[in-house]
Amino acid sequence: NAGVTQTPKFQVLKTGQSMTLQCAQDMNHNSMYWYRQDPGMGLRLIYYSASEGTTDKGEVPNGYNVSRLNKREFSLRLESAAPSQTSVYFCASSETDRSGYTFGSGTRLTVV
Amino acid sequence: GENVEQHPSTLSVQEGDSAVIKCTYSDSASNYFPWYKQELGKRPQLIIDIRSNVGEKKDQRIAVTLNKTAKHFSLHITETQPEDSAVYFCAASRGYSGAGSYQLTFGKGTKLSVIP
Repeated sequence: NAGVTQTPKFQVLKTGQSMTLQCAQDMNHNSMYWYRQDPGMGLRLIYYSASEGTTDKGEVPNGYNVSRLNKREFSLRLESAAPSQTSVYFCASSETDRSGYTFGSGTRLTVV
Repeated sequence: GENVEQHPSTLSVQEGDSAVIKCTYSDSASNYFPWYKQELGKRPQLIIDIRSNVGEKKDQRIAVTLNKTAKHFSLHITETQPEDSAVYFCAASRGYSGAGSYQLTFGKGTKLSVIP
């Protein structure tokens, strides 16, 4: 039982390049989330998916797109990376009984 | 939207002492308040949570209190140990928004250092 798996763990991009961060969970959770973590800023919600086939914007969605491919997978895409998107990205999933999020191990992204 | 303020941003205590971290929230409809611990380079992990129908919850050396009238909640760690050193985040959620989804708004974190 792996929980929430994120790939890659580390990535360096040049400004303007695109990439997709992958996330998969094996806990049969309906809801999945993408957060970014910056020093001194806590975790901020980028996008979330309440269920397969639905996605909604969070607090900081600009510059990102998401795809809920199926119940297990929720990907985050940066179409044209900017230095301001340098951050640690966490994917999470949750049960409907509000027993807390389960987080992935994170992707450390640097945009130069 | 919801706004969660967390204080202090850093906290140093001697091993064996108690540590208290406080959070306030803005949305009176919020009714679920989890706390996460994040060790250096690791993922955040849930350590305790509280729902709005209770005022206090304990789990061994950690406890959380909630004052809905004042819109604040606190994490208490007693008999601190070096392994308690980490960043702690509070969060708040105002409830479900479709298919059981609930969005957490996080505080900015408190770096706790326990000095042996």
